Amino acid sequence: GAVVSQHPSWVICKSGTSVKIECRSLDFQATTMFWYRQFPKQSLMLMATSNEGSKATYEQGVEKDKFLINHASLTLSTLTVTSAHPEDSSFYICSALNTGSGNQPQHFGDGTRLSIL
Amino acid sequence: AQSVSQHNHHVILSEAASLELGCNYSYGGTVNLFWYVQYPGQHLQLLLKYFSGDPLVKGIKGFEAEFIKSKFSFNLRKPSVQWSDTAEYFCAASAGGTSYGKLTFGQGTILTVHP
Repeated sequence: GAVVSQHPSWVICKSGTSVKIECRSLDFQATTMFWYRQFPKQSLMLMATSNEGSKATYEQGVEKDKFLINHASLTLSTLTVTSAHPEDSSFYICSALNTGSGNQPQHFGDGTRLSIL
Repeated sequence: AQSVSQHNHHVILSEAASLELGCNYSYGGTVNLFWYVQYPGQHLQLLLKYFSGDPLVKGIKGFEAEFIKSKFSFNLRKPSVQWSDTAEYFCAASAGGTSYGKLTFGQGTILTVHP
């Protein structure tokens, strides 16, 4: 079945560091990928929609300069948390839509747990 | 504003008991509805989805859900749960058209099944 690989699965870093998270669709092309964030004991919240070859669209309240998204190819989107601070600590999950499969649900990665000290 | 609400945060059952997890949504216009499951340490997996047609949707692993438009509900059911169904369950919705991939999730329901 369709697989989405997310890397790294866990990262711990110091405050002020920038962290890059990769999301890859392994066996299909994904024009559109999504980035979600999940705080402890809360639901997943959509942060942004990543579009191959164009700018990402961000949900209300999400800082685009803080969370940089690049979708340079049909199989890779990256989320960079710039100058991360403890309040950015969360579980980040990506998903990808199979471009060639019509109105099919998206496939999710395993998530990245980000801890900022 | 679009929203999805799940009624129960934590449900505890014994094996063979019947399951019903509540989900209500608030969306204008066309809505697509989903149930996802997340087993410990794993990624979200799709259980079932509703786009249109028969409001009773059958999914994987014996799960089903019923779309009741008048109640804005999409409850998940399983007649007899197993220990392996222990997981967190998320109801989600999206609008139709070009926004169908943008999901709004409910808060999640943790299901614990005792052997």
